[in-house]
Amino acid sequence: GQSLEQPSEVTAVEGAIVQINCTYQTSGFYGLSWYQQHDGGAPTFLSYNALDGLEETGRFSSFLSRSDSYGYLLLQELQMKDSASYFCAVVLSWGKFQFGAGTQVVVTP
Amino acid sequence: DAGVIQSPRHEVTEMGQEVTLRCKPISGHNSLFWYRQTMMRGLELLIYFNNNVPIDDSGMPEDRFSAKMPNASFSTLKIQPSEPRDSAVYFCASSLGQGAQDYGYTFGSGTRLTVV
Repeated sequence: GQSLEQPSEVTAVEGAIVQINCTYQTSGFYGLSWYQQHDGGAPTFLSYNALDGLEETGRFSSFLSRSDSYGYLLLQELQMKDSASYFCAVVLSWGKFQFGAGTQVVVTP
Repeated sequence: DAGVIQSPRHEVTEMGQEVTLRCKPISGHNSLFWYRQTMMRGLELLIYFNNNVPIDDSGMPEDRFSAKMPNASFSTLKIQPSEPRDSAVYFCASSLGQGAQDYGYTFGSGTRLTVV
């Protein structure tokens, strides 16, 4: 079976760095993806890691280690607008994702 | 591009009634996905289409749910009869080919369904 675990909530101040961990138990997958969702909004794509290692996109970076069944999303130079839910998702097969329960990031002044 | 367009944005219906949710994917995208989001179960994939053909409907909860994609620019998700436990936000998403992995889905704004 498949399951993903991520913390339910993280709080940090503006300008700080936040790391959201995602651990998974799945027997084979294509990669790990991250999505951001603001309250009442649609999930938006942030990143995808097909290979082990770090992918950097501006202030956000994502990391995958298949041997450790672990990934993370790193949010740097936090801004108030980064307050949102962040979901990791494993790509099980073409087009088929399984999403984690999401991590609520609260950014305080 | 207007993005993925869903209608209605909000729907309140009585138990037992038929509900139809609509989705227009991004022009040129050939894959379409229906997701459901609840606090208890998170984001769940219900069904997805590639080139208008249903590929995997294993996430459809039961026979009360059906989805169609009669052409490349339109899809419906129908619930008949609706039940209170169907209350959720239903998202439609589209992607270009294998792009779901590399470039991600583009989600619509969702339909918030309340069944009373």
